[in-house]
Amino acid sequence: QQQVKQSPQSLIVQKGGISIINCAYENTAFDYFPWYQQFPGKGPALLIAIRPDVSEKKEGRFTISFNKSAKQFSLHIMDSQPGDSATYFCAASSPSGGSYIPTFGRGTSLIVHP
Amino acid sequence: DAEITQSPRHKITETGRQVTLACHQTWNHNNMFWYRQDLGHGLRLIHYSYGVQDTNKGEVSDGYSVSRSNTEDLPLTLESAASSQTSVYFCASSENRAAGYTFGSGTRLTVV
Repeated sequence: QQQVKQSPQSLIVQKGGISIINCAYENTAFDYFPWYQQFPGKGPALLIAIRPDVSEKKEGRFTISFNKSAKQFSLHIMDSQPGDSATYFCAASSPSGGSYIPTFGRGTSLIVHP
Repeated sequence: DAEITQSPRHKITETGRQVTLACHQTWNHNNMFWYRQDLGHGLRLIHYSYGVQDTNKGEVSDGYSVSRSNTEDLPLTLESAASSQTSVYFCASSENRAAGYTFGSGTRLTVV
């Protein structure tokens, strides 16, 4: 059973556009939601994370939106650049509930055309 | 600067051989993890450790083992390599159990 469903699998965006990646989860105990960015040949790197006490978190061009009632969270990349082309993974865990191991989504391959 | 390094970066081995992948971190993190990454499956947890002498099985632990004799290292051993273990392997560490991970650059393992 896949506890974190990520969509789309792949995304193509023009330079300057907005990239949106969505994740939906089932376990209501999840309370930590990180996003990772992975470039080819590299390991994933923590990009931004949110906890459910806020509905939005912004860091530069990257924003996480969180909808607790819908059990969904999404990553928005504003003014997308070719250098943003990478695979993005969402994840969820429940540190406060003692479940520290994150469940990862299957990833979204983002291509930003110049 | 602190870092997490994996070696080798690439490895080709034969079916049935024992293989050990190294992971070394200088963050002084207690928590270390091994994942494999396969197309269509994302990241799957193999084993993890919350400290010296502590090891735990993940969702795809069959055929793999780890040992934790110090804080810095968590080597991953494939007891008898199988073609199904051809994959990219990532080691990760974290400062505390509620924190995000720092990943290594990965080891691409091919079992022929």
